[in-house]
Formats: sequence, structure tokens, C-alpha cells
Amino acid sequence: DAGVIQSPRHEVTEMGQEVTLRCKPISGHNSLFWYRQTMMRGLELLIYFNNNVPIDDSGMPEDRFSAKMPNASFSTLKIQPSEPRDSAVYFCASTGDRWNTEAFFGQGTRLTVV
Amino acid sequence: AQSVTQLGSHVSVSEGALVLLRCNYSSSVPPYLFWYVQYPNQGLQLLLKYTSAATLVKGINGFEAEFKKSETSFHLTKPSAHMSDAAEYFCAVSDLRDDKIIFGKGTRLHILP
Repeated sequence: DAGVIQSPRHEVTEMGQEVTLRCKPISGHNSLFWYRQTMMRGLELLIYFNNNVPIDDSGMPEDRFSAKMPNASFSTLKIQPSEPRDSAVYFCASTGDRWNTEAFFGQGTRLTVV
Repeated sequence: AQSVTQLGSHVSVSEGALVLLRCNYSSSVPPYLFWYVQYPNQGLQLLLKYTSAATLVKGINGFEAEFKKSETSFHLTKPSAHMSDAAEYFCAVSDLRDDKIIFGKGTRLHILP
């Protein structure tokens, strides 16, 4: 398996534009997590899915953020409209069907909003 | 809710010296604990995990961690630091109630020649 795949690796966009980040989890994994990493806040859990269903989205910062998982092999994180303070590295991770298995991380998407 | 506190956002050790990175957790149920490492411009990789078996856990690259329930700690150690150990290290906690994995703020390890 190629691991967790995120795209794009880098995104530069202007304030007010819509941004969509994409994630393909490892085949067979049934939990998917979106994290945001910044110098100030460290690694924050935004939302996680189990069997394609959002379980906890309490970490989503504002209504401008939304996430979907239409099927077991694809998830998106959307920011609309984007703001400069959204600049961060966004990671996607997936785990298998046991809660104590490790989380496998993608390489991340570095988002810069100017 | 579970949480993790990592003491020291930056730690510097000399090459060949002992590495000690501190992690304390908070959880109302038996926790499951992890250490991850992040190299520049990369995602996180698992170093080791504690899942209620042996309290001393050995991981990759010579790292190990000991679960101490009385101290609610899961400190990461390595007897002799190598230049290649320079990275950011994250402690994380999960538990039986849900699948969430919560991370500490990370400790950046610097290795001095």
C-alpha cells in the first residue's frame, strides 16, 4: 500500500478563496483523522470519521471549515472562505479497526493564505 | 477528556548523551499511549506504543518508554543520542471510549556535536 496520500502538497491561495484538501486513507482502514499543525497550537485534531461517519467535529474551528468522507477511500477538508490565519500544515491520518493501532499519517498539505 | 502534556518545547543534548523527553497524560480510563517522531517536512511516524501489556516499551531507533501509572507519565528515553535523532517528538493518548488520538504540543530535540 502506498500509505496515506494527501493532495496537494502545497497550496497558496488568496484570502477569501475556497480551498479543498484531499486525502486517500490506507485501504482497509476505517478511521480517518484531520489534524492541523501550527507553531502556536501544535497538532490539533479537527475532525475524525469512523466508517465514513463523522464522529467528533468539535475541533473544527469555525463554520468556514467542513469535511466529508463520501466513501472509504476518500475524504476532503474544505475551507470557505479562507483567511490568513488558516495558514498551517494539514495532516490526514488513518487507523485500522482497532482503536489501539497506530495512526498512519500522510505527508501533509502546507497551506498558505495570503 | 484525555489530554497530554509534554514538558519542554525544546530539548538539547550532546551526541552520545542520554535523551529524556517527558510526557504526562490525563485520562479517566486506562490509556493507550504513543510516541511519534516528525522529521522536517514529513508526517508523523510511530516510534512506540503502550497498550496495557509490558510497562516498559521498546521502539524503533533505540528508543524506549516506561508507563508509570502512579505518576501518570510515559517518558521517552534513549541511552545515547545520535545526530539523526534531531526531530520533533510527539506524545499521544487514546482510550477505550473512542478512537480519538490526542497529541501533545511536541518537543523539538536538538543534538549538539
